[in-house]
Amino acid sequence: RKEVEQDPGPFNVPEGATVAFNCTYSNSASQSFFWYRQDCRKEPKLLMSVYSSGNEDGRFTAQLNRASQYISLLIRDSKLSDSATYLCVVTGDYKLSFGAGTTVTVRA
Amino acid sequence: DVKVTQSSRYLVKRTGEKVFLECVQDMDHENMFWYRQDPGLGLRLIYFSYDVKMKEKGDIPEGYSVSREKKERFSLILESASTNQTSMYLCASSSYEGRGYTFGSGTRLTVV
Repeated sequence: RKEVEQDPGPFNVPEGATVAFNCTYSNSASQSFFWYRQDCRKEPKLLMSVYSSGNEDGRFTAQLNRASQYISLLIRDSKLSDSATYLCVVTGDYKLSFGAGTTVTVRA
Repeated sequence: DVKVTQSSRYLVKRTGEKVFLECVQDMDHENMFWYRQDPGLGLRLIYFSYDVKMKEKGDIPEGYSVSREKKERFSLILESASTNQTSMYLCASSSYEGRGYTFGSGTRLTVV
């Protein structure tokens, strides 16, 4: 079983729509959680950390459910520039474990 | 801003060649990492280092070695390149676990 699993998508949504997707992780001892964004042929970049109480950063909302071992990302009022692959990341023992990514395409 | 620099953006090598991928960071980070990224598989950790001359195997170390002689530089070595090592290689550094984790722009290696 993979440490981190994501629905690969793609999620094709119109501008202005809300899109949400989850990621599950297998190690219950995981300590920190993040969402990274990766544009085509570019390196991953940190989008936001995920805190136990849930957190927002503008149009982006992240949630953590430790009991069910999943994290989620919700994007409100989607923009064309939100088109990217979103990587779920879980940490433990110095290293990060990455999901394979969820691709989101926002269309005009 | 932390800058992580990888020496080559694109590289083409022949099967059996010894290949060096270099990574340099400029923020005095203790931890450095090498990942490879393949479609459908995501990023997989090859090796990491949490201090000079220290190295730890990641999830897929076979066919690779690393060197960290200086804090700012972490080298990935393919002892004898094979076609299944064709991939995007990403270097990253961080000051401590999981925070400030910054990637280089990647090296797309093709082994022919």
